Amino acid sequence: QLQLRESGPGLVKPSETLSLICHVSGDSISGGHYCWDWIRQPPGKGLEWIGVIDHSGTTDYDASLKSRVTMSVDTSKNQFSLKLNSVTAADTAVYYCARHLFNRAANTFYPFDYWGQGTLVTVSS
Amino acid sequence: DIQMTQSPSTLSASVGDRVTITCRASQSISTWLAWYQQRPGRAPKLLIYKASGLESGVPSTFSGSGFGTEFTLTIRSLQPEDFATYYCQQYDSYPWTFGQGTKVEIK
Repeated sequence: QLQLRESGPGLVKPSETLSLICHVSGDSISGGHYCWDWIRQPPGKGLEWIGVIDHSGTTDYDASLKSRVTMSVDTSKNQFSLKLNSVTAADTAVYYCARHLFNRAANTFYPFDYWGQGTLVTVSS
Repeated sequence: DIQMTQSPSTLSASVGDRVTITCRASQSISTWLAWYQQRPGRAPKLLIYKASGLESGVPSTFSGSGFGTEFTLTIRSLQPEDFATYYCQQYDSYPWTFGQGTKVEIK
């Protein structure tokens, strides 16, 4: 059974860098069949896609965050990470990692079928 | 970016009711649409993929339909555990985007 688990500081100071890791168990990131995403949800608000990374490290980010986001993958540890720099209070949110299938043969996607439980990150001094 | 708009934002209903939630895309997304259920304090759960495909393990009281820019999620007979917030999401092209959510409340 696939499990994703987010880890990282729950409190980050304004202007500093938010760093999270998603630990994947029950499947191998290096298998190449899936893409790995970060999604966030400000308190009481809706879901915002942050970006995606595949097993080779190819990324795609939401344009509104692109200048501040870096995602990376460590296949040896079966985990992927998110860094968001220059954070402000507007970055306070529950951050989720998730996966979605990419069918390379058909060049089609499948939506997010597994999610982590989420981790609340608060930006405050 | 493709904008997704859900209606209504809030829906009050009773156990046993049939409810319908609508999702509109700002441009055609074919059937590349998913629906999720989110209970308070929990991660979203995939219900429907490709507009009408029922995810494994999801009760058949849930159904989806639509093509292009107009989509609906129907819950045939509301159960107590169905009171939650529902989101549509397009996966036609990056950036993948979500609707703002529809909260289904107990009347």
